[in-house]
Amino acid sequence: KNQVEQSPQSLIILEGKNCTLQCNYTVSPFSNLRWYKQDTGRGPVSLTIMTFSENTKSNGRYTATLDADTKQSSLHITASQLSDSASYICVGRRDSNYQLIWGAGTKLIIKP
Amino acid sequence: EAGVAQSPRYKIIEKRQSVAFWCNPISGHATLYWYQQILGQGPKLLIQFQNNGVVDDSQLPKDRFSAERLKGVDSTLKIQPAKLEDSAVYLCASSLRQGITYEQYFGPGTRLTVT
Repeated sequence: KNQVEQSPQSLIILEGKNCTLQCNYTVSPFSNLRWYKQDTGRGPVSLTIMTFSENTKSNGRYTATLDADTKQSSLHITASQLSDSASYICVGRRDSNYQLIWGAGTKLIIKP
Repeated sequence: EAGVAQSPRYKIIEKRQSVAFWCNPISGHATLYWYQQILGQGPKLLIQFQNNGVVDDSQLPKDRFSAERLKGVDSTLKIQPAKLEDSAVYLCASSLRQGITYEQYFGPGTRLTVT
């Protein structure tokens, strides 16, 4: 069954601290994995896209990793800011029909 | 470049009533998607259009949901009659083409509450 599981469900950290969000995926045939940021009341916005041959990709303070062998990905946020408060959704893409398999997201709250 | 536009932003209706949502994709984007996002969950694809043709509507509850994309630009999604479990955010997204490398751009969504 194609699915994406994320952990933790929610996370609260202090401003300036780092954090790492986890994603386990079972997507076949696998094409790529994406991380989206979704602010409250807004649509998701893409942060990174990685294919199976890429094991790390950065976008500013966001760094995503991908281990195609263990089918795990992580999103690391460095020096968190209040504006990082959002839901972060991991999405796997199937190679056969371009279908996106969405995780439930991790809700991140940054406290001052 | 203007983003994906959706209206209305919020809608409250009673069960068994009907409702329609409108989406205007980014200019030139051939592929349009409607998603349903229930609170605490990731988006679920309802229907995907390529120009004005339906590519995937396998998860669309066709007994009550309908969607159209006349002329291959704007799209409307309709629910008739609405049920309590339809309460969700309805997201519209568009991409230049259908394919692995084409990014989807999302609108702000319409939050529907069915009472």
